[in-house]
Amino acid sequence: EVQLLESGGGLVQPGGSLRLSCAASRFTFSNYAMNWVRQAPGKGLEWVSTISGSGGSTYYTDSVKGRFTISRDNSKNTLYLQMNSLRAEDTAVYYCAKGGIVVVAATFYWGQGTLVTVSS
Amino acid sequence: EIVMTQSPATLSVSPGERAILSCWASQSVSSNLAWYQQKPGQAPRLLIYGASTRATGIPARFSGSGSGTEFTLTISSLQSEDFAVYYCQQYNNWPRTFGQGTKVEIK
Repeated sequence: EVQLLESGGGLVQPGGSLRLSCAASRFTFSNYAMNWVRQAPGKGLEWVSTISGSGGSTYYTDSVKGRFTISRDNSKNTLYLQMNSLRAEDTAVYYCAKGGIVVVAATFYWGQGTLVTVSS
Repeated sequence: EIVMTQSPATLSVSPGERAILSCWASQSVSSNLAWYQQKPGQAPRLLIYGASTRATGIPARFSGSGSGTEFTLTISSLQSEDFAVYYCQQYNNWPRTFGQGTKVEIK
């Protein structure tokens, strides 16, 4: 079964930076688009970013454009989210999620999430 | 941005009864619509994609229908493990957007 293990969350001050990682296993990582989806405490789901299997195409929600960067290392089966200029409203559980072979696809499997708290 | 609207916000159902959840898109998303289930403290789980295709391992009591702007998730006979929050999501346009969720609770 697909395994996705996020790491890198924690407490950071407003304006700070954090890099999330997601180690993937039990599927051919480079073949699939990957996503980050977040969920603020007690709130619903919010899509953050998607990257194609090759890494050549990336997509972001407007609120993180210019601050967050999604990337992947297919040799290490790892997905990343570099988060800069963090704001209080970025506080959330961040889920790594496996997409489809094409970017126009649902999110088929989800990791357990990593909590990011932005607070002074 | 496509706005996804779910109804009702909360659905109270007795075990064994049928539950019907609705999801509307502010513009057509074709059949690029997914449903997810989320239980407290857990990650979401994909139930339905392509508006009507059950994901791997999802019981047949879950079914999805619709296309364009109107979609429905039906749970034919609610089991105790089905009480959860359900989200729809469109993946036809960027940004991907979710509905606000429907909480299915025990009546």
